[in-house]
Amino acid sequence: DTEVTQTPKHLVMGMTNKKSLKCEQHMGHRAMYWYKQKAKKPPELMFVYSYEKLSINESVPSRFSPECPNSSLLNLHLHALQPEDSALYLCASSQEENSPLHFGNGTRLTVT
Amino acid sequence: GQNIDQPTEMTATEGAIVQINCTYQTSGFNGLFWYQQHAGEAPTFLSYNVLDGLEEKGRFSSFLSRSKGYSYLLLKELQMKDSASYLCAVRDPTGGFKTIFGAGTRLFVKA
Repeated sequence: DTEVTQTPKHLVMGMTNKKSLKCEQHMGHRAMYWYKQKAKKPPELMFVYSYEKLSINESVPSRFSPECPNSSLLNLHLHALQPEDSALYLCASSQEENSPLHFGNGTRLTVT
Repeated sequence: GQNIDQPTEMTATEGAIVQINCTYQTSGFNGLFWYQQHAGEAPTFLSYNVLDGLEEKGRFSSFLSRSKGYSYLLLKELQMKDSASYLCAVRDPTGGFKTIFGAGTRLFVKA
């Protein structure tokens, strides 16, 4: 199994909703990431978990709350989002610090 | 800080060779990656350079010159399916698990 799996593929939510994005990998990778990508822009790093501990938070607003329940799972909890938060949210994992990133197919989020 | 520059768009003909350049300015260096991203899809890893020189993998090759802060991705025998964005990315020199992406080069392959 060499995949990073993200659910759901698409999500539409109102500004008062609470939702969660889920990511799973079974490659034994030690690091997992959340990236945000707007159309025609590169991925922007949001959070990094290393050995299930949050190691990097790129000054992301608190309406985004990451969680790493175990070494294979990564969640992103969403609350009170704004329309400008609409984007493709990509989860990735890597074996080591200098290893390539393996991306999931992303969740396309629309905030109405 | 980090600065990664690459051309915004390129057009090439099927069967030809194209070179996509990337320059970076960082206080240190922990490796450079190239990713391919088709529209609406996730990026996929193409190549990794940490030492100077050329890395070849099938139709794709990547070159690195650390002294010049320069890399290129070479695509040979272009196919229509190679139409995609190509992202140059540098590992943050301060360590940690931070990969910084360039804005990407959109490659259009025409018949």
